[in-house]
Amino acid sequence: EAGVTQFPSHSVIEKGQTVTLRCDPISGHDNLYWYRRVMGKEIKFLLHFVKESKQDESGMPNNRFLAERTGGTYSTLKVQPAELEDSGVYFCASSPMTGIDEQFFGPGTRLTVL
Amino acid sequence: GDSVTQMEGPVTLSEEAFLTINCTYTATGYPSLFWYVQYPGEGLQLLLKATKADDKGSNKGFEATYRKETTSFHLEKGSVQVSDSAVYFCALTTSGTYKYIFGTGTRLKVLA
Repeated sequence: EAGVTQFPSHSVIEKGQTVTLRCDPISGHDNLYWYRRVMGKEIKFLLHFVKESKQDESGMPNNRFLAERTGGTYSTLKVQPAELEDSGVYFCASSPMTGIDEQFFGPGTRLTVL
Repeated sequence: GDSVTQMEGPVTLSEEAFLTINCTYTATGYPSLFWYVQYPGEGLQLLLKATKADDKGSNKGFEATYRKETTSFHLEKGSVQVSDSAVYFCALTTSGTYKYIFGTGTRLKVLA
């Protein structure tokens, strides 16, 4: 069974540019989460999808971040325009719908904004 | 709000040394507690978990006991190996929410 995959693994962009991160969850997992780790600090929750619906987006830092999950499969996280403080590692995770509390994480996308 | 505090790293040990990584938490209600590990170039993997007080999670020689009285979930291993070199994250979830609250992570380096 394939795990959670994320693309790209690294992205280097200039301030003001747009970047789109993609996450493919484990097949059949209805729950999809985005997290971010900035500058070696704690990993912070960004948002949670159940299928294609946003269940909780309380961690989204501002309206420069837009997450989508069309059709309830893969998800994208777009940052537009990117700022220096957006640099960090963005993790995606997924879990089944059946109340299991373990989340399965992808390897992350390292974003560097210059 | 809920939070997790874990010891700062990096921690450098010789092979076969004893490992302790401290983790304490603040939470309303009764959280479930987790240790995740991130090996170089990989995603976070669940190492062990405990869902109620006095539960002990264990896996791959690692152990952690859910201590409600001290609000702690310290990670221990009796004899570390070079292959244990990784970043270890302590985390919690509380009832009714799916999101994890993570600590800052502790990098462990084991020398041969």
